[in-house]
Amino acid sequence: DIGMTQSPDSLAVSLGERATINCKSSQSVLYSSKNKNYLAWYQQKPGQPPKLLIHWASTRESGVPDRFSGSGSGTDFTLTISSLQAEDVAVYYCQQYYSSPFTFGPGTKVDIK
Amino acid sequence: EVQLLESGGGLVQPGGSLRMSCAASGFTFSGYAMSWVRQAPGKGLEWVSGISGSGISTYYADSVKGRFTISRDSSKNTLYLQMNSLRAEDTAVYYCAKLGGTSCDSSLDYWGQGALVTVSS
Repeated sequence: DIGMTQSPDSLAVSLGERATINCKSSQSVLYSSKNKNYLAWYQQKPGQPPKLLIHWASTRESGVPDRFSGSGSGTDFTLTISSLQAEDVAVYYCQQYYSSPFTFGPGTKVDIK
Repeated sequence: EVQLLESGGGLVQPGGSLRMSCAASGFTFSGYAMSWVRQAPGKGLEWVSGISGSGISTYYADSVKGRFTISRDSSKNTLYLQMNSLRAEDTAVYYCAKLGGTSCDSSLDYWGQGALVTVSS
């Protein structure tokens, strides 16, 4: 099974500042022949189901603000919120869909400082 | 508009069974893989099970393998999760989710609102 870790567990950022979340997989999720990283990022606000933000590690889902961006390859990935807005307060999860079981990271809680 | 509506949650005793359903609409159901994801109270997300668009391929987390069975009925546009031998640690909100492709190696692009399953005596 592929294990997923995230850091930090939580962070507090001032409005308008950058927030950076890291995700690491225990083995590569890069499918070399397709040159695709099987890694997604989700946002979950209190009392709501998760929402897909980014897939293939760096492809923003339709309708997601461009302040959200994903980067990385292989085993190390980053979600960046370039200018934190009040509505971005949430828990963020990474997930690998390279191989079953399709595991999630433990989540990173983002708050306003 | 894609809609996913879970039902079948509730209170069940340890060792009991429950069947979750997820009614799907707004997309060609048989063309997409589907999954169940759960979230214990105050905890993170746990992927539970997935099924391909054809229904031929199924996948399970180790924690539920042999106890849970995922299935789908394209004539009813409905996804199911049969849960047997339930344990206290199965207590969670269960989300139904649509995947972005026909196979389970895809991201989860739409989610239902979830249904609570409580396993307790």
